[in-house]
Amino acid sequence: LAKTTQPISMDSYEGQEVNITCSHNNIATNDYITWYQQFPSQGPRFIIQGYKTKVTNEVASLFIPADRKSSTLSLPRVSLSDTAVYYCLVSGNTGKLIFGQGTTLQVKP
Amino acid sequence: EPEVTQTPSHQVTQMGQEVILRCVPISNHLYFYWYRQILGQKVEFLVSFYNNEISEKSEIFDDQFSVERPDGSNFTLKIRSTKLEDSTMYFCASSEYGQGQGETQYFGPGTRLLVL
Repeated sequence: LAKTTQPISMDSYEGQEVNITCSHNNIATNDYITWYQQFPSQGPRFIIQGYKTKVTNEVASLFIPADRKSSTLSLPRVSLSDTAVYYCLVSGNTGKLIFGQGTTLQVKP
Repeated sequence: EPEVTQTPSHQVTQMGQEVILRCVPISNHLYFYWYRQILGQKVEFLVSFYNNEISEKSEIFDDQFSVERPDGSNFTLKIRSTKLEDSTMYFCASSEYGQGQGETQYFGPGTRLLVL
């Protein structure tokens, strides 16, 4: 399974765009990139998933360069309620998800 | 929006007792998972289940643990004889597709288990 590396923490202010980059140098051909959000004492919540190029949904955008060795989760105009831990995961051949420590995003007023 | 549900939300038990944690996956999903998360630490994979069989299990998932789909809707995790170190949050997840297909796993809200 490809290992992921992402910043341990980030700070932002309300209304700003936040970009969280994840490195996954050993990503395999059939791996997908998935981002989850987790609030304290709650289950991880799926945000977005992609394979290549750009994916956008009502919550976020995911940018994946051609070599797929990294990905960037973009959260437009964050609010205080976006304060959470964000996990980047790479999965493909196996059903299990391997979570890292994630990025703790703190949104300030 | 369909969601995974788990019961109970909190469970307190005595060391050595058996506990059963229950999950109702999303109705059209065929793949089921259990994870756990010690407070402040990473989410850890325990087991995956498909077609009434364990697909994969981690080192954590020893003989004290078992999983079952007793009927068409529930998916359970049984801990046969609980230990103090089993005190943690347990998450159930389900997905429509399985491995190799970019499956998205949807997680339940968790059951917090406390072993005294």
